[in-house]
Amino acid sequence: DQQVKQNSPSLSVQEGRISILNCDYTNSMFDYFLWYKKYPAEGPTFLISISSIKDKNEDGRFTVFLNKSAKHLSLHIVPSQPGDSAVYFCAASETGANNLFFGTGTRLTVIP
Amino acid sequence: DTAVSQTPKYLVTQMGNDKSIKCEQNLGHDTMYWYKQDSKKFLKIMFSYNNKELIINETVPNRFSPKSPDKAHLNLHINSLELGDSAVYFCASSQTGTGVSPLHFGNGTRLTVT
Repeated sequence: DQQVKQNSPSLSVQEGRISILNCDYTNSMFDYFLWYKKYPAEGPTFLISISSIKDKNEDGRFTVFLNKSAKHLSLHIVPSQPGDSAVYFCAASETGANNLFFGTGTRLTVIP
Repeated sequence: DTAVSQTPKYLVTQMGNDKSIKCEQNLGHDTMYWYKQDSKKFLKIMFSYNNKELIINETVPNRFSPKSPDKAHLNLHINSLELGDSAVYFCASSQTGTGVSPLHFGNGTRLTVT
């Protein structure tokens, strides 16, 4: 039973344009959400997070939006750069729990 | 100066063998984890250790056993390897064990059981 879902396995975007990666979750107890970026043959690296008390968090070119009523979050990358090409994982957790639930990832390709 | 390091990077072995994967973190984190990424790219937690105590064991077969000699190390021992154990195994650590601190991952160990 997958509690975090990324329904788009891949996304291609032109350099300079916006990349929007989407994530849905089913567990209403989740209150902390993260995005990880993964290059081939490397482990996932933390990118940005958001607590459920917020609906937006921004860090440079990366912004995460949270819609709790829809149980949906998205990662916006503006402007997209070729170095952003990687697999992006959405993850969610419940405060007090000791587990992160991951989606299956979206492969982003930024075309120069 | 790698934060979370795991060895070996690749491991090829035959069914029935026993193998170990080592993990070390130099971040001073309190909690360490093992995650498994299967063929469908699904990352799922196997174990976590906080100050040498097992916190989670997510329906993992008892052929898998984590061993933590100190809070900077969490090794994974696998007995009687099966074909279905083939996957990429990631070690990770975090500052707290509450799930609100980002995990820092190692680069993974690709295990292939033939």
